[in-house]
Amino acid sequence: DAKTTQPPSMDCAEGRAANLPCNHSTISGNEYVYWYRQIHSQGPQYIIHGLKNNETNEMASLIITEDRKSSTLILPHATLRDTAVYYCIVRKWSGGYQKVTFGTGTKLQVIP
Amino acid sequence: DADVTQTPRNRITKTGKRIMLECSQTKGHDRMYWYRQDPGLGLQLIYYSFDVKDINKGEISDGYSVSRQAQAKFSLSLESAIPNQTALYFCATSDPDEAEQFFGPGTRLTVL
Repeated sequence: DAKTTQPPSMDCAEGRAANLPCNHSTISGNEYVYWYRQIHSQGPQYIIHGLKNNETNEMASLIITEDRKSSTLILPHATLRDTAVYYCIVRKWSGGYQKVTFGTGTKLQVIP
Repeated sequence: DADVTQTPRNRITKTGKRIMLECSQTKGHDRMYWYRQDPGLGLQLIYYSFDVKDINKGEISDGYSVSRQAQAKFSLSLESAIPNQTALYFCATSDPDEAEQFFGPGTRLTVL
């Protein structure tokens, strides 16, 4: 499985866009990039996933570089409730089980 | 009501005791998972089940066992609890496409 590298922590001003980077330089062609977040010891929450095209949903946008070696999760207007640990995960998507490895993530602090 | 519930939410037990953590889901998913999370770390997979007859070990299954009593119920047991099993335990479910996993609220287990 491809490994991911994320900065351990980031700050973002409330109302501004939060851009969370993730490096996955060993990603293979059939592996997807997923993002989850965990708010203060609650169960992780799915945010978004993508293969190679940029994706957007009601929570966030995912920008994947053309070579797919890195990606950025964008929270367009961060609020205090977005303070959480954000996990970038790389995994295959097929009928069998694919090991999901949650690393240590990025702790995002949204500042008033 | 929550889609994935876990009981108990908190538990303190003593070394050597047998303990069971229970998970129930109302999402109708076939796939269920048990993870543990140690302070400041990511999630590690303990066991996973694709259906009631299919149970598989994850990354850290030693010292744990599971039972899939029904599609909606997946229990995790510690036959003889030890202090280094003190952690936050999460149950999760997913559909066969596994686009996302839905996590329960977690059980905080302390082994003295």
